[in-house]
Amino acid sequence: DAGVIQSPRHEVTEMGQEVTLRCKPISGHDYLFWYRQTMMRGLELLIYFNNNVPIDDSGMPEDRFSAKMPNASFSTLKIQPSEPRDSAVYFCASSLSASGVYEQYFGPGTRLTVT
Amino acid sequence: GNSVTQMEGPVTLSEEAFLTINCTYTATGYPSLFWYVQYPGEGLQLLLKATKADDKGSNKGFEATYRKETTSFHLEKGSVQVSDSAVYFCALSDRTSGTYKYIFGTGTRLKVLA
Repeated sequence: DAGVIQSPRHEVTEMGQEVTLRCKPISGHDYLFWYRQTMMRGLELLIYFNNNVPIDDSGMPEDRFSAKMPNASFSTLKIQPSEPRDSAVYFCASSLSASGVYEQYFGPGTRLTVT
Repeated sequence: GNSVTQMEGPVTLSEEAFLTINCTYTATGYPSLFWYVQYPGEGLQLLLKATKADDKGSNKGFEATYRKETTSFHLEKGSVQVSDSAVYFCALSDRTSGTYKYIFGTGTRLKVLA
């Protein structure tokens, strides 16, 4: 089975540009999570969805960040405008509530560099 | 609130040495506990899990036991290999609190020397 798919794997952009990161969760999973990982701050939860509905976005750093999940198989994280401090690895993860354990499966990440 | 505390790294061991990475937690409910591993340049992979007190999770020679009395979930391996070099994250999920977020520890970097 395919795992969580993220694209692009690497993104380099200039400050001020819009960046869109994409995620396809594991088929049938009903939870989707976006994380950011940096050396300074470690792994941070940005937002998570249940059945395509945002449940908790308290980790979204500021209004420049937005996330959507238009259907069960696709989610985007958008940064507009981007800033150098947004440089990080962004992970998407999904889980299945019916498992009862809610173990999360992570994608390979998108490494974002903002110059 | 819920929290996870991991031992500071890096941990450097020789091949075939015994590994322990400490993890303690605080939780208001009855959490599930997890260990994830992150190899360089990759995402996090679930290594093992335990869902209730006294459960032992195991995988690839790694083990961890859910100790409610000491609120701990220490990761152990009897004989590490160079290929085990990675960052290890302890995490809890406390669904009884009504949230399905993970609380992650800060990660412990393991380096195994040949």
